[in-house]
Amino acid sequence: KAGVTQTPRYLIKTRGQQVTLSCSPISGHRSVSWYQQTPGQGLQFLFEYFSETQRNKGNFPGRFSGRQFSNSRSEMNVSTLELGDSALYLCASSLELAGDLEQFFGPGTRLTVL
Amino acid sequence: QQQVKQSPQSLIVQKGGISIINCAYENTAFDYFPWYQQFPGKGPALLIAIRPDVSEKKEGRFTISFNKSAKQFSLHIMDSQPGDSATYFCAASLVFGNEKLTFGTGTRLTIIP
Repeated sequence: KAGVTQTPRYLIKTRGQQVTLSCSPISGHRSVSWYQQTPGQGLQFLFEYFSETQRNKGNFPGRFSGRQFSNSRSEMNVSTLELGDSALYLCASSLELAGDLEQFFGPGTRLTVL
Repeated sequence: QQQVKQSPQSLIVQKGGISIINCAYENTAFDYFPWYQQFPGKGPALLIAIRPDVSEKKEGRFTISFNKSAKQFSLHIMDSQPGDSATYFCAASLVFGNEKLTFGTGTRLTIIP
């Protein structure tokens, strides 16, 4: 079974631009979560989608948004990029069955904002 | 507000020794406590997880000890090997259906020969 895939793996953007990151969950997984990982702040929750609906949202500004498609694939968008948005963005999917809380992470997209 | 505190920040252990990483949480509603292992250039991978209805869970060389009254849990790696060198994150999440993981700050573990 293929794991969580994220594209692109690396991105370089300049301040003020916007970026879209993509995540394909493990087949059959309906929940997709996004996390931001930085050396200073560690792993921070961005948002979670289930059945195309945002179910949870972390404490990030409105410049960070996401969506989920009917095939469970998810995208996140960051508008008006700032230097501080440079980070590893991780996507995780889970099966969403009673008692099964395991989240499987993708390799991440490394975003560098210049 | 940091809801999961992890220590130490870095740890050096000799091969064959026991590695111990500790975490403390604040929110008593947390219902699920996983440990993740992350190698450079990779996403975190689930190592072992525990629910609050048990005090210990063992999988091979990895053991989670859980103290509900103290709101603490720890990861023990027995017979530590160089291949265990990685960053370890503890995490916690609320009940099923609200799967936001709150992570600790991470521990960089180095196993020396």
